[in-house]
Amino acid sequence: DIQMTQSPSTLSASVGDRVTITCRASQSISSWLAWYQQKPGKAPKLLMYKASSLESGVPSRFSGSGSGTEFTLTISSLQPDDFATYYCQHHNTYPWTFGQGTTVEIK
Amino acid sequence: EVQLVESGGGLVQPGGSLRLSCAASGFTFSTYSVNWVRQAPGKGLEWISYISTNRNIIYYADSVKGRFTISRDNAKNSLYLQMNSLRDEDTAVYYCATCGTSVYFQHWGQGTLVTVSS
Repeated sequence: DIQMTQSPSTLSASVGDRVTITCRASQSISSWLAWYQQKPGKAPKLLMYKASSLESGVPSRFSGSGSGTEFTLTISSLQPDDFATYYCQHHNTYPWTFGQGTTVEIK
Repeated sequence: EVQLVESGGGLVQPGGSLRLSCAASGFTFSTYSVNWVRQAPGKGLEWISYISTNRNIIYYADSVKGRFTISRDNAKNSLYLQMNSLRDEDTAVYYCATCGTSVYFQHWGQGTLVTVSS
């Protein structure tokens, strides 16, 4: 199985900050990577797929990059609504696995 | 508007069974592959099962293989998860989720909580 590892586990930031979350795959997954945002008590929300394709309706301050084994999710200017937990997930091949999550909290 | 509504969760004893349902509306359910994804309390996300549009491709995570059965009824716009031989570690919120153009999870339900405890 492909293991997904996110860093950091927790990130403290302020409104307006540029924030970057990293996701590493245990083997190459080409660009088959998705990102999700989850708020407490809510279902996850798809942000990005195929590493850099922005899901419809997601603000353009979110961007994704990477290929192979290393990927990043960047929020260009953190907004109050962005404080949440973020998960990466590979969509390369069965079984589909998630990273352990990165919580973005208020500094 | 795409809507997925899970139901059927609850408290069950170890070794017991439960059947979850997911009712879909606002889109052509029969043209989407669908999944179950779960999240244990305070933990991360775990994909557990996938079913293709016409039911000919089904996958399970090792953690539930042989105990859980996914199914769908396209005429009823519904997805199901039959869970047998439940264990404490199956305690989680269970989400149904549609696939996008690949197996990433585009639309999600609100989840239903399954608690396995004596």
